Amino acid sequence: GQQVMQIPQYQHVQEGEDFTTYCNSSTTLSNIQWYKQRPGGHPVFLIQLVKSGEVKKQKRLTFQFGEAKKNSSLHITATQTTDVGTYFCAGGYALNFGKGTSLLVTP
Amino acid sequence: GAVVSQHPSRVICKSGTSVKIECRSLDFQATTMFWYRQFPKKSLMLMATSNEGSKATYEQGVEKDKFLINHASLTLSTLTVTSAHPEDSSFYICSARAGTERAMAYGYTFGSGTRLTVV
Repeated sequence: GQQVMQIPQYQHVQEGEDFTTYCNSSTTLSNIQWYKQRPGGHPVFLIQLVKSGEVKKQKRLTFQFGEAKKNSSLHITATQTTDVGTYFCAGGYALNFGKGTSLLVTP
Repeated sequence: GAVVSQHPSRVICKSGTSVKIECRSLDFQATTMFWYRQFPKKSLMLMATSNEGSKATYEQGVEKDKFLINHASLTLSTLTVTSAHPEDSSFYICSARAGTERAMAYGYTFGSGTRLTVV
């Protein structure tokens, strides 16, 4: 079945540094969604990408969908301590989740 | 926005008993709801997909007789963990999908989760 791989598993950065997490699928995705889960919380929707090569920005967050619609990335510029959490990509109708990237930001 | 209410948020039950978890979409109709299970520091594992008025579709390895899912209306889905055992202890989360247009704007909306502890 469809598998979504995500790397890195963990990332520890200093506040102000950039951060990127990558998502790869074994099959072409009709769309990809990104979620953020704070410790002890539930996943919160960030964005959905549908078009090949699509790039969307939300303030310091930049989301990209690959041309082949099999990979995606989330880039955070100048991280802040409020960015701490686990970022998941998910694809497919039933949302097959990647394993997530846990981001730790130290001041 | 799109809000999904899930309760209880925490439940402790004795081994052998059954526990029901409810998931309600408050301000939209959810034609499809999904149930996930999450272990500590792990990803969400899809358990089943439920469509209103029809039988749920279970993922491979998920026992349908143990995890009973009912999607009786467009705003309510329930997951019943039957004859619970300690290994069923986990964090269970539901999510709901609205129509295509709304899903584009809000994605899939997740409930706040239920932490089940079986003693």
